[in-house]
Amino acid sequence: AQTVTQSQPEMSVQEAETVTLSCTYDTSENNYYLFWYKQPPSRQMILVIRQEAYKQQNATENRFSVNFQKAAKSFSLKISDSQLGDTAMYFCAFMILFGNEKLTFGTGTRLTIIP
Amino acid sequence: DAGVTQSPTHLIKTRGQHVTLRCSPISGHKSVSWYQQVLGQGPQFIFQYYEKEERGRGNFPDRFSARQFPNYSSELNVNALLLGDSALYLCASSRTGVNSSYNSPLHFGNGTRLTVT
Repeated sequence: AQTVTQSQPEMSVQEAETVTLSCTYDTSENNYYLFWYKQPPSRQMILVIRQEAYKQQNATENRFSVNFQKAAKSFSLKISDSQLGDTAMYFCAFMILFGNEKLTFGTGTRLTIIP
Repeated sequence: DAGVTQSPTHLIKTRGQHVTLRCSPISGHKSVSWYQQVLGQGPQFIFQYYEKEERGRGNFPDRFSARQFPNYSSELNVNALLLGDSALYLCASSRTGVNSSYNSPLHFGNGTRLTVT
């Protein structure tokens, strides 16, 4: 079974600063995806960034980047130049490659961007 | 294109009752998944359906059931409601239904907030 752990229940940062959210996971699988999802008060889960475990290069999407450490089973999200619209719950999630589409989520980090 | 749509938005039921939640996937998407998100926690996987067949089931009791229709829309049914079933129920759709190296990401709806009193 897979588990995903997010050890930071809440974080806050000033607008325009950089913030890093932590995530660790446990699995015996070798091929998988890791995701960061954002859930604003609208409740919709929005995909922020995706990392394939077989790729060594860290994924980036504009202001969002990850630090993927496969041996350490660590997958952190860095948000640069944070904006007020980044305020949301952030969930780290795991999915096995070549399986069904089951996502295993962590418990989330509530991020608040302070004006 | 319209996103994943879920109905109703909110629902209040009494213990012991039955509830049906509905989900319409994005046009062209053949896979639908259901998740339960209890307040303060991450979503938990309930079911995945692809081409009207169950592809995966999470650790939920038999009171939970689902089905997918020929137009790929889906229903989640919960019988004999318990207070602990109060949660946000999320539906997600994808094009492929199979997590391969060529997979489309999951697209989530805004959820149905179920309150059991």
